Amino acid sequence: AQSVAQPEDQVNVAEGNPLTVKCTYSVSGNPYLFWYVQYPNRGLQFLLKYITGDNLVKGSYGFEAEFNKSQTSFHLKKPSALVSDSALYFCAVSLNSGYSTLTFGKGTMLLVSP
Amino acid sequence: EAEVAQSPRYKITEKSQAVAFWCDPISGHATLYWYRQILGQGPELLVQFQDESVVDDSQLPKDRFSAERLKGVDSTLKIQPAELGDSAMYLCASSLRTGSPSYNEQFFGPGTRLTVL
Repeated sequence: AQSVAQPEDQVNVAEGNPLTVKCTYSVSGNPYLFWYVQYPNRGLQFLLKYITGDNLVKGSYGFEAEFNKSQTSFHLKKPSALVSDSALYFCAVSLNSGYSTLTFGKGTMLLVSP
Repeated sequence: EAEVAQSPRYKITEKSQAVAFWCDPISGHATLYWYRQILGQGPELLVQFQDESVVDDSQLPKDRFSAERLKGVDSTLKIQPAELGDSAMYLCASSLRTGSPSYNEQFFGPGTRLTVL
């Protein structure tokens, strides 16, 4: 079975400071890893994904994530946070085979203060 | 920009009643997903279609839930009868046909928020 852990329910950061939202995963095989963002009363929006290759993945809105196989982590990062980044962030994992389903973490609320 | 459409956006019903949700995926997307998202949790897959065929419905409570995608385009999710525990956001998503569905990013609709009284 595959699973995702997002250990922080909420992350608080001041605007202009770097941010990190943590994610660890468990899967029996090579993973595909994703980050999605959800704004209030909206569906999820895709931010970035890791499939293979370079461990540092760059995505939308200046976000990036680093795949670390030894630590089974895929933390989301941004060098300089914006107030508009405040939202609910979900990490997700699937197995790199066929119709493997996507398993989501419980989400981390990011609050960026002015 | 193409989007996944869902209706209704909000639905309030009484327990034991029937409810139905509709989803229209992005044109050309072969894979369609229905998720349930309980407040404070991540989405959980209910059913996955490839074209008109179900490829995964292992988490769908089949005694009360049903889903169909008859022509391989839009889809309907039905609950009959609704129970109090069904109150949640129901999300539809779609993804491209090319490559493996497991690595194609999914595009989500705005969801239907269901409240069962």
